[in-house]
Amino acid sequence: EAGVAQSPRYKIIEKRQSVAFWCNPISGHATLYWYQQILGQGPKLLIQFQNNGVVDDSQLPKDRFSAERLKGVDSTLKIQPAKLEDSAVYLCASSDGTGGNQPQHFGDGTRLSIL
Amino acid sequence: GDSVTQMEGPVTLSEEAFLTINCTYTATGYPSLFWYVQYPGEGLQLLLKATKADDKGSNKGFEATYRKETTSFHLEKGSVQVSDSAVYFCALSRSGGYNKLIFGAGTRLAVHP
Repeated sequence: EAGVAQSPRYKIIEKRQSVAFWCNPISGHATLYWYQQILGQGPKLLIQFQNNGVVDDSQLPKDRFSAERLKGVDSTLKIQPAKLEDSAVYLCASSDGTGGNQPQHFGDGTRLSIL
Repeated sequence: GDSVTQMEGPVTLSEEAFLTINCTYTATGYPSLFWYVQYPGEGLQLLLKATKADDKGSNKGFEATYRKETTSFHLEKGSVQVSDSAVYFCALSRSGGYNKLIFGAGTRLAVHP
């Protein structure tokens, strides 16, 4: 089966610019996650969707970050305006459900550098 | 709140050496525990998991046992290979927590021939 697809792989922008990332989960997976991985740290959940509804966005900086999952399939994550501290790898993951032991399948991530 | 603590890296070993990467957790209830591996330039891959106390997860020669009494989930491998060089993340998912993963900071493993 095809894995989680993300694009672009790399993005370099200047601070205060905007940027968007795209994710296509594994076919049939109802749950989609966006994580932020800062260099030297473990991934941190930004937002979780169950189909096209938000389950958890408690750690999403809503003044600058937004995400949507129209039609319950692919998703976009946007940052506007970007700050230097947003430099990180943004990982998308999907799972077949929300049970506590459902494995999450990760994409290769988008590496964002803010100048 | 829930948290995961891993031993700091990097861990540097010679091929065929024994590997232990320590992981302890803090969580309410009975979380599920995971080890993920991240190879350079790639996303995370699930290595193994355990969903209840005393369960042992195993995969590709790696093992970890869910120890509730010590709140630990240490990763072990009897004989490492150069191809095992990667960053290893311990993580937990709290029951009833919508499958949200909470990760440790990761431990980099470098295996030399």
